[in-house]
Amino acid sequence: EAGVVQSPRYKIIEKKQPVAFWCNPISGHNTLYWYRQNLGQGPELLIRYENEEAVDDSQLPKDRFSAERLKGVDSTLKIQPAELGDSAVYLCASSLDQVGGTEAFFGQGTRLTVV
Amino acid sequence: QKEVEQDPGPLSVPEGAIVSLNCTYSNSAFQYFMWYRQYSRKGPELLMYTYSSGNKEDGRFTAQVDKSSKYISLFIRDSQPSDSATYLCAMMPMGGGQGAQKLVFGQGTRLTINP
Repeated sequence: EAGVVQSPRYKIIEKKQPVAFWCNPISGHNTLYWYRQNLGQGPELLIRYENEEAVDDSQLPKDRFSAERLKGVDSTLKIQPAELGDSAVYLCASSLDQVGGTEAFFGQGTRLTVV
Repeated sequence: QKEVEQDPGPLSVPEGAIVSLNCTYSNSAFQYFMWYRQYSRKGPELLMYTYSSGNKEDGRFTAQVDKSSKYISLFIRDSQPSDSATYLCAMMPMGGGQGAQKLVFGQGTRLTINP
């Protein structure tokens, strides 16, 4: 079974430019997460989807970040415009929504460098 | 104060040693406890998953949860150089609402096993 697939793996952009990341979750997983991981830190949640609905976006900087999950499958995270402080690894994860919780599986991440 | 506290290390031990990794937390709603292993430039990989209090063993790995103390541990027996990675604890509350399925991570402990 294929895991969570993210692309691109690496991205280098100049500040003020836009950037987008793509995630394909594990088939059948209805919950999808976007996390940001700064160097030497644990992942921090940006947004969580249940199917196509964003149920927790309280940590998403909405002035420059946006996300969508069309048809409740693939998801895209966008930053426009990017700032130097956005340099981090952006991780996508998915889980199967079950009563009482379940394990989340992560993709390889997209390493963003803003110069 | 962060919801989940984890000593970032680094921790360096000789091959064959028993390793103990720990996290404390403040949110009593957490019911699901996970340990992820993250190799350099890779996404987090689920290692152990436990519900509520108690122990869980999987090969050389043992996870312990003490909800009364809000303290979780991961033990690695007969440690190998291939165990060298960053270990992240993560927790999730139970129940509905916006907090459900929200996975909160510790900072991660960087572990090196020396041959």
